[in-house]
Amino acid sequence: AQKITQTQPGMFVQEKEAVTLDCTYDTSDPSYGLFWYKQPSSGEMIFLIYQGSYDQQNATEGRYSLNFQKARKSANLVISASQLGDSAMYFCAMREARGYKLSFGAGTTVTVRA
Amino acid sequence: DGGITQSPKYLFRKEGQNVTLSCEQNLNHDAMYWYRQDPGQGLRLIYYSQIVNDFQKGDIAEGYSVSREKKESFPLTVTSAQKNPTAFYLCASSINAGMVRGELFFGEGSRLTVL
Repeated sequence: AQKITQTQPGMFVQEKEAVTLDCTYDTSDPSYGLFWYKQPSSGEMIFLIYQGSYDQQNATEGRYSLNFQKARKSANLVISASQLGDSAMYFCAMREARGYKLSFGAGTTVTVRA
Repeated sequence: DGGITQSPKYLFRKEGQNVTLSCEQNLNHDAMYWYRQDPGQGLRLIYYSQIVNDFQKGDIAEGYSVSREKKESFPLTVTSAQKNPTAFYLCASSINAGMVRGELFFGEGSRLTVL
């Protein structure tokens, strides 16, 4: 069964505007971690932000913030003040405490327009 | 600088040939992983290793083999039994496979094309 769902295959955003990337997940494990990665066209995966299931506050890292809604099993990534360099594919991922692997969603392609 | 080195970056293979992708890390991480990525899709786990001389199958291990003889090295062999090997392969490592918090650090990937 799919554990991570990203429903937006592609998005366009104007430079300097904010964009929200959706991610929903499925787990029965009370302890888990949620990750967002960025993959530019060059192919490497860049870690952006982490949210633990027991964290009381939403995670923030610079222009990245995670809108964590535990009851809805949602972990949306918000990129504020978009830049041309933000154009990339973005992946949501989850690790459960009882497992060892990081499971990835299908990704969302973001294109920032000048 | 610490990081993960994958080689080769591009590889072409004829059908029926085995090919080995190299992955080396100098981060002193215990855990290492191999993922496969097909165009426009997410990453799927092939194999992972929590410690030297130990490894486990991931979701799509058929047609692949690995070894973990040294902490810093985790080579992946794509065998002739892999029916559709053309893909982008990413190697990753983390401090410890059992930590929920431990993010994965990735190499730059190897793109394999079967002719």
